[in-house]
Amino acid sequence: GAGVSQSPSNKVTEKGKDVELRCDPISGHTALYWYRQSLGQGLEFLIYFQGNSAPDKSGLPSDRFSAERTGGSVSTLTIQRTQQEDSAVYLCASSLFRGSNEQFFGPGTRLTVL
Amino acid sequence: SQQGEEDPQALSIQEGENATMNCSYKTSINNLQWYRQNSGRGLVHLILIRSNEREKHSGRLRVTLDTSKKSSSLLITASRAADTASYFCATDAFLLNYGGSQGNLIFGKGTKLSVKP
Repeated sequence: GAGVSQSPSNKVTEKGKDVELRCDPISGHTALYWYRQSLGQGLEFLIYFQGNSAPDKSGLPSDRFSAERTGGSVSTLTIQRTQQEDSAVYLCASSLFRGSNEQFFGPGTRLTVL
Repeated sequence: SQQGEEDPQALSIQEGENATMNCSYKTSINNLQWYRQNSGRGLVHLILIRSNEREKHSGRLRVTLDTSKKSSSLLITASRAADTASYFCATDAFLLNYGGSQGNLIFGKGTKLSVKP
C-alpha cells in the first residue's frame, strides 16, 4: 500500500489482558516510530526503530510495554496486563531514515481498556 | 516530556478570516514541523521549517520561526470550513553529543481550530 497501515483500528479489552498492535510502515522506510495520544492531548513518544533495532526505548511508560520490529518492516507494540490508563490512540509513523524530513503517520489504533 | 506548547488551545473563526497559531519550545532544534489532525486520528504533515530558516510558505500556509525566542507561528490565510482540525507543532531536537537529529518528534498539545461557514 501507499501509506502506513495499522491494525486493528479499534481494540476493546478487559483490564489485565495483553494486547498486540501492529504497524506496517511505508516500504523502504528504515525508521519507525510509535506514539500514543490520550484524549485531547498531544502525542507522546514511545519508541523508535532504526531498521530492526530500537536505540531509544526511553519513552516506554512501563515495563508492561514492549515493541519489536522484524525484517526492517512490520512492527508490533505489545502491552501486557493492560490498565485503564493505557486507553489511548496508538499512532505509528515511518520515515525514510532517522531525522529525515517528514514522518508519515498511520490512522492509529484506538485502544479502550475496560 | 512535552516540548512544544501551542496557543491558543482553541480558536474559532469565520470562513475567510486568517487563523494564527503559536508554538513555543524549550531545547535546541534541528527543525520544527506543523501537522494537522482530523477527528483524533492520523496526522498529516503540513510544513517543515529548519532551524536556519525564518519563514516559509506553502499555499495558504505561512510559518515563521524565531530561534532566539524558541517560538514559531502558523498562519492560515483565507480559512475554509475544511480547515477545521487540530494543529500540532512538533520539534525534531538537535542532540549536541550526537551532532544531529534526535529522530523522534516531540509534540505540543495542539490548537483546535474551528472555521464556521
